[in-house]
Amino acid sequence: GQNIDQPTEMTATEGAIVQINCTYQTSGFNGLFWYQQHAGEAPTFLSYNVLDGLEEKGRFSSFLSRSKGYSYLLLKELQMKDSASYLCAVMDSNYQLIWGAGTKLIIKP
Amino acid sequence: NAGVTQTPKFRVLKTGQSMTLLCAQDMNHEYMYWYRQDPGMGLRLIHYSVGEGTTAKGEVPDGYNVSRLKKQNFLLGLESAAPSQTSVYFCASKPTPPTDTQYFGPGTRLTVL
Repeated sequence: GQNIDQPTEMTATEGAIVQINCTYQTSGFNGLFWYQQHAGEAPTFLSYNVLDGLEEKGRFSSFLSRSKGYSYLLLKELQMKDSASYLCAVMDSNYQLIWGAGTKLIIKP
Repeated sequence: NAGVTQTPKFRVLKTGQSMTLLCAQDMNHEYMYWYRQDPGMGLRLIHYSVGEGTTAKGEVPDGYNVSRLKKQNFLLGLESAAPSQTSVYFCASKPTPPTDTQYFGPGTRLTVL
């Protein structure tokens, strides 16, 4: 079967760095997406990785290792507004997104 | 551009009632999707469409029907609502390249009593 695993909840301090991990087993792979979802709102796109390595976008970076079925999202210089759920999704061989349950990130002052 | 809009934002139904959720996008996207999001679970695909006049089943299609008569609109119907269909429903759209990102609407919170 297809499976995406990520931690349910993480807590970090304002100004710090946090790494949110995602492991996956899917039928085929056409890329991995990270989305941010604030409570009561729609998911919004953060990053897309299809090749191994690190992609950096400002305070956010995303890493992919296809051989290990593993990705992480790295958030630097955390701000209170980063409190949200972070969703990992893998595009399978049919170009459909398979979603993880999301990681709720709590930022403390 | 309004992006992706959904109507209504909230709805309460009684078991057995029917309703239609409307999704509209003004980005000329070919692909449109309906998902449901439940606590502790990932987004699950209900139905999707790869173009005007076409629809296909996703992971959890039972109890739902869809139509895509116009490119900009994607309708999700519940013929006989059940408490198990209490959820937040999200519509999304994306351009033609299959690996493009999906853009989401604000969601519809549906409660079935």
